[in-house]
Amino acid sequence: GEDVEQSLFLSVREGDSSVINCTYTDSSSTYLYWYKQEPGAGLQLLTYIFSNMDMKQDQRLTVLLNKKDKHLSLRIADTQTGDSAIYFCAAGGSSNTGKLIFGQGTTLQVKP
Amino acid sequence: EAQVTQNPRYLITVTGKKLTVTCSQNMNHEYMSWYRQDPGLGLRQIYYSMNVEVTDKGDVPEGYKVSRKEKRNFPLILESPSPNQTSLYFCASSSTPFTAKETQYFGPGTRLLVL
Repeated sequence: GEDVEQSLFLSVREGDSSVINCTYTDSSSTYLYWYKQEPGAGLQLLTYIFSNMDMKQDQRLTVLLNKKDKHLSLRIADTQTGDSAIYFCAAGGSSNTGKLIFGQGTTLQVKP
Repeated sequence: EAQVTQNPRYLITVTGKKLTVTCSQNMNHEYMSWYRQDPGLGLRQIYYSMNVEVTDKGDVPEGYKVSRKEKRNFPLILESPSPNQTSLYFCASSSTPFTAKETQYFGPGTRLLVL
């Protein structure tokens, strides 16, 4: 069935770049999303990319999509302590149910 | 302010005692959905609703019921909760399920503990 996989943990120093990786199995996914979850909070949509795009940049965020390898990454430039959170990759659009398939979430720890 | 609200935010209950988690959105969205979040598993869809009186099962519907009598509300009902339903629950809504720009807005979550 459909699956989305992420590594569980990433630690970086403040000011460095962070790269969070994600792989998905359903090649018919038309939209791929990155959500951020801060402690005790809901999910906040950070960015999304259409499956026919290779890259999308939005301020400090860069999303790269390798559709052939079904690999998605989120790069956060100049990572700040406020970026510490859980980041979820999600795939959607392959069914008419509106369902998003989420990865397990990557906990990003930013050290000062 | 556009938002999805859930109540309660935290709930401790005992096995078998029926409970309802409410979800309400003020954006006139047609599509609403419930997810549960468990460590190491991400979010999994429980039920969804395309519109009033139209609901369907997601990936993990066992032990849950929903109703959609009004557009703004989509309550999640646990008729006889069990400890394996201890989880963090999120309600989400969007105007339609079909386009990326119509992002799903998530509520703040309800943390449920079933003893």
